Amino acid sequence: EIVMTQSPATLSVSPGERATLSCRASQSVSSNLAWYQQKPGQAPRLLIYGASTRATGIPARFSGSGSGTEFTLTISSLQSEDFAVYYCQQYNNWPPERTFGQGTKVEIK
Amino acid sequence: QVQLQESGPGLVKPSETLSLTCTVSGGSISSYYWSWIRQPPGKGLEWIGYIYYSGSTNYNPSLKSRVTISVDTSKNQFSLKLSSVTAADTAVYYCARDRYCSGGSCFNYGMDVWGQGTTVTVSS
Repeated sequence: EIVMTQSPATLSVSPGERATLSCRASQSVSSNLAWYQQKPGQAPRLLIYGASTRATGIPARFSGSGSGTEFTLTISSLQSEDFAVYYCQQYNNWPPERTFGQGTKVEIK
Repeated sequence: QVQLQESGPGLVKPSETLSLTCTVSGGSISSYYWSWIRQPPGKGLEWIGYIYYSGSTNYNPSLKSRVTISVDTSKNQFSLKLSSVTAADTAVYYCARDRYCSGGSCFNYGMDVWGQGTTVTVSS
């Protein structure tokens, strides 16, 4: 099983500042990585797939990078609606399973 | 656009079987893999398993002995059964659209469409 580890658990950021979230895989997942945003009481929303491709309708302030075992989600200038929990998820071809990281909560500083 | 809707009992007794259905509207269930994911109260997301429209499946190893996912293409639905439930299975259960396959090749675009989620409580 591929284990995904996110850091930090909580990130305190002021509106307008940059947020950098990390995700590490226990073995290489190539670029088979997605990022999701989840707000309280809502289903997760896909932000990034293929490690760096923004999903439809996602603002350009969200960007993803990395490959192999180290990945980063950057929010260039935090807006009020960006305060939420963010999850990374791998979907490598083998083993053919999906696993999520434990999440990073981005809160208002 | 494609929408997903989970349905099923909100309360299940310990040791019984949890059964949920996800209805796909606004598009066909064909050509895609479809996943079930759950989220215990206050915790993170856990992938349960997925099914291809043709019926092939793959499950989370930690749940494999208790999980069955099936598909009914005539109804544009897929379903989850989780047996021998305990309080630890109390969660919000989501269905989501997963990998796309066409012409013998498959493409991963993440889980791009999700249902709103349904809360299942395991309690006597």
